[in-house]
Amino acid sequence: DQQVKQNSPSLSVQEGRISILNCDYTNSMFDYFLWYKKYPAEGPTFLISISSIKDKNEDGRFTVFLNKSAKHLSLHIVPSQPGDSAVYFCAARRTGQNFVFGPGTRLSVLP
Amino acid sequence: GAGVSQSPSNKVTEKGKDVELRCDPISGHTALYWYRQSLGQGLEFLIYFQGNSAPDKSGLPSDRFSAERTGGSVSTLTIQRTQQEDSAVYLCASSLYGNEQFFGPGTRLTVL
Repeated sequence: DQQVKQNSPSLSVQEGRISILNCDYTNSMFDYFLWYKKYPAEGPTFLISISSIKDKNEDGRFTVFLNKSAKHLSLHIVPSQPGDSAVYFCAARRTGQNFVFGPGTRLSVLP
Repeated sequence: GAGVSQSPSNKVTEKGKDVELRCDPISGHTALYWYRQSLGQGLEFLIYFQGNSAPDKSGLPSDRFSAERTGGSVSTLTIQRTQQEDSAVYLCASSLYGNEQFFGPGTRLTVL
């Protein structure tokens, strides 16, 4: 049973437009969430985090939104750039437990 | 400072052979994780070390898989009698107090 779901395996966006990557989770006890970006042949790199006490966290072009009642979080990238093309993983955990990763969404930003 | 390093970067082996994969975490990080990513799949948790506590081995897929972490630093993941389904990228990550994980570049294992 997948506790963290990313239902879109892939997403294509035009350069300069907004990319929205979605993530749903089933465990209401999760209280900390991360997004990672992964380029081919490299390990995932941390992008942005959000705690369950917040509903939004922003870092430059990247914003993560958390809707606890819907058990849903999303990553917005504005404006999207070709260098953003990568696989994006969301991860969630309950304090004191390990992170659970989603299956990833492959983002392609088209020039 | 230095990030997480893994060796080898690529390993090709024959079915039935044993392999050892190495991970050097970021100095001072208390937690160390092993994951694997099969082709087209997400990250599959394998094992987690936190300080001197007993490791969480709940993700190991079979008893052919084992890992150790010596001196609270370097870790070795051992796969005995490799099978073709073991082919994957094996990723190591470390973190401080279980927060954001910093990943190494991975070891691509191919079992022929």
